[in-house]
Amino acid sequence: DAEITQSPRHKITETGRQVTLACHQTWNHNNMFWYRQDLGHGLRLIHYSYGVQDTNKGEVSDGYSVSRSNTEDLPLTLESAASSQTSVYFCASSDFLESTDTQYFGPGTRLTVL
Amino acid sequence: QKEVEQDPGPLSVPEGAIVSLNCTYSNSAFQYFMWYRQYSRKGPELLMYTYSSGNKEDGRFTAQVDKSSKYISLFIRDSQPSDSATYLCAMGLYGSSNTGKLIFGQGTTLQVKP
Repeated sequence: DAEITQSPRHKITETGRQVTLACHQTWNHNNMFWYRQDLGHGLRLIHYSYGVQDTNKGEVSDGYSVSRSNTEDLPLTLESAASSQTSVYFCASSDFLESTDTQYFGPGTRLTVL
Repeated sequence: QKEVEQDPGPLSVPEGAIVSLNCTYSNSAFQYFMWYRQYSRKGPELLMYTYSSGNKEDGRFTAQVDKSSKYISLFIRDSQPSDSATYLCAMGLYGSSNTGKLIFGQGTTLQVKP
């Protein structure tokens, strides 16, 4: 069955370190998204990609970067982790051809920055 | 003011009750509306999708949209303990440049007690 996976599921890091969160989907979807979920804010879009070599900034992109070298993967990098980036991170994907724009979410990565 | 407002709850109801979950929004341009369900420690999953004012039913679930009031609702009939989850509303615009740019509410946490 097609799926979307994230790794690691839990990560503890220190302020200032570079961290990369992995996202891998086997849906063969063109569109991929990264969100963070925090109490009081719901899901907020960090970065998104509509295809290989395409990346775009979302609502809360400062301090984050992504790259898309193939269809399946969209890793999220925190250049220099800050305590404000402690959050749960979700990756999602959707099919460009699907009119309902349904996004399929991964299980999430819980990141703690100390 | 947030574009989408949703009471975070928590909402606790007895099994069998009718549940009403609501969101208000400020951007009258939103064209389609979604409800996602998120179980604890899981990613959100699409529950219902609608793009027009009025009601849409799917089993025990009814999604209602009132574009004139900028108000959407999700009703759950005969609620079950398995419905205990966080429910997130989301909305967006059609068009290739808007693909995937969903705006989410904060989510309402629902607990259905046996």
